[in-house]
Amino acid sequence: DAGITQSPRYKITETGRQVTLMCHQTWSHSYMFWYRQDLGHGLRLIYYSAAADITDKGEVPDGYVVSRSKTENFPLTLESATRSQTSVYFCASSERRGRNEAFFGQGTRLTVV
Amino acid sequence: AQTVTQSQPEMSVQEAETVTLSCTYDTSENNYYLFWYKQPPSRQMILVIRQEAYKQQNATENRFSVNFQKAAKSFSLKISDSQLGDTAMYFCAFITQGGSEKLVFGKGTKLTVNP
Repeated sequence: DAGITQSPRYKITETGRQVTLMCHQTWSHSYMFWYRQDLGHGLRLIYYSAAADITDKGEVPDGYVVSRSKTENFPLTLESATRSQTSVYFCASSERRGRNEAFFGQGTRLTVV
Repeated sequence: AQTVTQSQPEMSVQEAETVTLSCTYDTSENNYYLFWYKQPPSRQMILVIRQEAYKQQNATENRFSVNFQKAAKSFSLKISDSQLGDTAMYFCAFITQGGSEKLVFGKGTKLTVNP
């Protein structure tokens, strides 16, 4: 199916564990983004990528790692999960030509216990 | 730093009435795009309307329109004939053409449409 998909939709993990959130898009968009959404903070940018093998930090990158070996995939890894990383995570992609519109995945609700 | 400010955390409106959501932003870039996204309880992010900064004409999409004031760095959203289905979080966002190229969001406004 065409679009942008995140997996898993829900995840519960323990403090200190490593967890990876997956993001896959089928449009070959150049740009991809990871956000976390917390009450009172809106969407805060964690990392973004302008192309394969090009990534850059956003507003709240600490504790997260990203990679982009292929254009269509942009996984987000929490190296050692903390309770403060409990949040809803959104992946998005966009193309810088035309409408510049960003398309979002369904979100992943991550709970760190 | 590029920032987006939505000064109204919550708003409410009666069905069929008009409501305006405020947004201001800060950037040193001259070329950028502005967006309003809607997030209903389903959590899905949905594009409502977009505006290119180089266009003076305000964008409209059916019942949704914007008031774009580039000099004031203001980008408000007007919803006419409000419907119950408009109840959602609304986020203002922008991305620069060139520069840091980050898609930056405000904290959102929770809109409730009352019957």
